[in-house]
Amino acid sequence: DTAVSQTPKYLVTQMGNDKSIKCEQNLGHDTMYWYKQDSKKFLKIMFSYNNKELIINETVPNRFSPKSPDKAHLNLHINSLELGDSAVYFCASSQHTGTGGEQYFGPGTRLTVT
Amino acid sequence: AQTVTQSQPEMSVQEAETVTLSCTYDTSESDYYLFWYKQPPSRQMILVIRQEAYKQQNATENRFSVNFQKAAKSFSLKISDSQLGDAAMYFCAYRSENQGGKLIFGQGTELSVKP
Repeated sequence: DTAVSQTPKYLVTQMGNDKSIKCEQNLGHDTMYWYKQDSKKFLKIMFSYNNKELIINETVPNRFSPKSPDKAHLNLHINSLELGDSAVYFCASSQHTGTGGEQYFGPGTRLTVT
Repeated sequence: AQTVTQSQPEMSVQEAETVTLSCTYDTSESDYYLFWYKQPPSRQMILVIRQEAYKQQNATENRFSVNFQKAAKSFSLKISDSQLGDAAMYFCAYRSENQGGKLIFGQGTELSVKP
């Protein structure tokens, strides 16, 4: 059983479109995250949710909206896609936000905006 | 704000040899965790090893060990008996107790292993 899963794994779309990436974890964790990995492989936190509550929003454009319908799911919706949004997006989860909570990553979603 | 720096964009090692990847970080906090993650071409992020800042003893996981120098804010990863499967991008990451659990990553070091 996959611990943290993301769909889709690949997403190719045109500028201006709206798209969503879904994430699910079956680890029973309280906290979920979205990270963005750019073309230079640099990883940066975007959002974090703890028990469905947003706790981190790292200066991400308003076009990005996370939604957590329950503890096991954290989706990322992106409006009006731009070329610069092309990246790999990783979902991750941890038991809690404390330092003891190791993060488990999903396989990533490669988003290409043309 | 905390920062993590990996000054070696690329490293190379001969199979069965030992290699050390460098990482330095900057923080004013006393309680934190440090991690090394491996990202092979499959792009899956795999936790290699972690170190609690309050522990003086260096963490070890099989062929992987760290040299944690808290005063110097240095956290290097040593890979012994390198194997072809060790070829990957390696990321050093920092996590504090007070920032919602987010990981702050370094720029990464691309490790190649020569047969």
